[in-house]
Amino acid sequence: EAQVTQNPRYLITVTGKKLTVTCSQNMNHEYMSWYRQDPGLGLRQIYYSMNVEVTDKGDVPEGYKVSRKEKRNFPLILESPSPNQTSLYFCAANGGGLLMPMDQPQHFGDGTRLSIL
Amino acid sequence: QKEVEQDPGPLSVPEGAIVSLNCTYSNSAFQYFMWYRQYSRKGPELLMYTYSSGNKEDGRFTAQVDKSSKYISLFIRDSQPSDSATYLCAMRDSSYKLIFGSGTRLLVRP
Repeated sequence: EAQVTQNPRYLITVTGKKLTVTCSQNMNHEYMSWYRQDPGLGLRQIYYSMNVEVTDKGDVPEGYKVSRKEKRNFPLILESPSPNQTSLYFCAANGGGLLMPMDQPQHFGDGTRLSIL
Repeated sequence: QKEVEQDPGPLSVPEGAIVSLNCTYSNSAFQYFMWYRQYSRKGPELLMYTYSSGNKEDGRFTAQVDKSSKYISLFIRDSQPSDSATYLCAMRDSSYKLIFGSGTRLLVRP
């Protein structure tokens, strides 16, 4: 079964305490991405990765880091979290290549709800 | 102004009704258009994907793209209570950045 697994699912933490949200996929997909979802704003892309060691900024990358050392994992790092990063975060993966990546269904994880006090 | 506008709803319809969900956009470079369904406490799932203008049908779902009007639609025929969810449109140009609408909440009443 195609799966994108995020951990943790819920986290309450404090300002400035570094945290990492892990994302793992079992489909051998090249393309992975991170989104945050906020009421009234919908899903906004934070970072994406087209393959191992290839990452690029999405629409709202400030305050976040990512790495892609292996194909299956794409962790999201908040070096110094702030309350405005309180949100619902989704990781997604999809296959395909450079020509038509969206031909393959995009699989989302079930989300990580982060609260930063 | 947002690049993609979507009425948040909620849209409440009786079971069996035809549902019409819509998005407008401002960027004429968008060429890939998607509809996602998101149930409560779950990630979005891809429903329909359309490249450029035209219609695409998949079972009870039909996606329409009118690039001249910068308007896309998702029609759901014979709506079921299990269709109750939030529907998100998304689109992108030749880059890999996806722009989502804020979602329309749909409630199908038994």
